[in-house]
Amino acid sequence: EAGVAQSPRYKIIEKRQSVAFWCNPISGHATLYWYQQILGQGPKLLIQFQNNGVVDDSQLPKDRFSAERLKGVDSTLKIQPAKLEDSAVYLCASSLPGHYEQYFGPGTRLTVT
Amino acid sequence: AQSVSQHNHHVILSEAASLELGCNYSYGGTVNLFWYVQYPGQHLQLLLKYFSGDPLVKGIKGFEAEFIKSKFSFNLRKPSVQWSDTAEYFCAVGTNAGKSTFGDGTTLTVKP
Repeated sequence: EAGVAQSPRYKIIEKRQSVAFWCNPISGHATLYWYQQILGQGPKLLIQFQNNGVVDDSQLPKDRFSAERLKGVDSTLKIQPAKLEDSAVYLCASSLPGHYEQYFGPGTRLTVT
Repeated sequence: AQSVSQHNHHVILSEAASLELGCNYSYGGTVNLFWYVQYPGQHLQLLLKYFSGDPLVKGIKGFEAEFIKSKFSFNLRKPSVQWSDTAEYFCAVGTNAGKSTFGDGTTLTVKP
């Protein structure tokens, strides 16, 4: 069974630039999560999708972050414009409907200079 | 809102020593509890989980955790650690809506 795929693995941008991350969950996993993990901290949920609908985006900084999952499969997270404090690892995870354990991708390490 | 507190940021043990990592949570409703592990260079993976029933749960690689409801705790234990257990360990609490809140993690270093 293929795992959660993410790309790119690493990204370096300057502040005020835009960046996008892509995630392809495990086949059949209806729930998809995006997390932000700042160095020394645990993952913080940014947004949770159930199929192509948003379940929870209460911690998503909506003035600069956006996410979509148009066909209920893969998802894109965008930051526009980026700030220095956005430097972090962005993790994507997925889970089966009604199951609560999550399967994580390798993450994208973003450095904003 | 739920929160998770992991008491130890960094633990250093010698091989064969016993391990206990503390985890306390706050949440007013029914919780699902998890321990995830991240080995060096790898991504987060599930170590064990508690949903209901026997409060002592066993996971992979000889790990176990005990849910003590009265103490809002879910501590991770292993009787004898190995060098290969060197990793970062995260406790997480989940709601029935599928949302999980993670602690800030404990880095375990096992000296050979």
